Amino acid sequence: DADVTQTPRNRITKTGKRIMLECSQTKGHDRMYWYRQDPGLGLRLIYYSFDVKDINKGEISDGYSVSRQAQAKFSLSLESAIPNQTALYFCATSDSESVGGVRGQYFGPGTRLTVT
Amino acid sequence: EDQVTQSPEALRLQEGESSSLNCSYTVSGLRGLFWYRQDPGKGPEFLFTLYSAGEEKEKERLKATLTKKESFLHITAPKPEDSATYLCAVQGGSNYKLTFGKGTLLTVNP
Repeated sequence: DADVTQTPRNRITKTGKRIMLECSQTKGHDRMYWYRQDPGLGLRLIYYSFDVKDINKGEISDGYSVSRQAQAKFSLSLESAIPNQTALYFCATSDSESVGGVRGQYFGPGTRLTVT
Repeated sequence: EDQVTQSPEALRLQEGESSSLNCSYTVSGLRGLFWYRQDPGKGPEFLFTLYSAGEEKEKERLKATLTKKESFLHITAPKPEDSATYLCAVQGGSNYKLTFGKGTLLTVNP
């Protein structure tokens, strides 16, 4: 089974609708992240969470909200979807930093979201 | 602000033709430089973390190196299955955010 799973994998929705993307992980990592990927713009951080009680905005958080329901679950919501939120969305996890330094992030398979 | 520039944007190689991908970066206090591989429609796959200039890491046909201004991903005798987009990212200073480059699309022809 995949270590980081995302649901749904594909979603088409209409402008103004509320939508939730879900992420679950079995890696036992404390830290979880949400990114979006757009052609020509690369990966950009939306929100990140270092534990259940710690939520932080990334570089493009406007129009999005998140919930960390448990160590293993981190969901992303679009309260009122708009067409420019059409993108590929990725969840990622990482371990806390060790004496050896920062740790790599492990990504889920992605959700392709289309807002019409 | 941290910046990452990858070159070339696209690279086409023949099977067995070795080459290198470049990642130039500016960051305040590098904490880690990361290389990822991404196949079409899939999530990035973690390859390496490099922490300080002079460090090298290898995995199969891939070798990543780091200087104070750039990192190289050397691909030795590539195979068609090495075709993918390779992403570079940095994490610097007290910033917990990864800054990604736009990637190099590698195509290896048989």
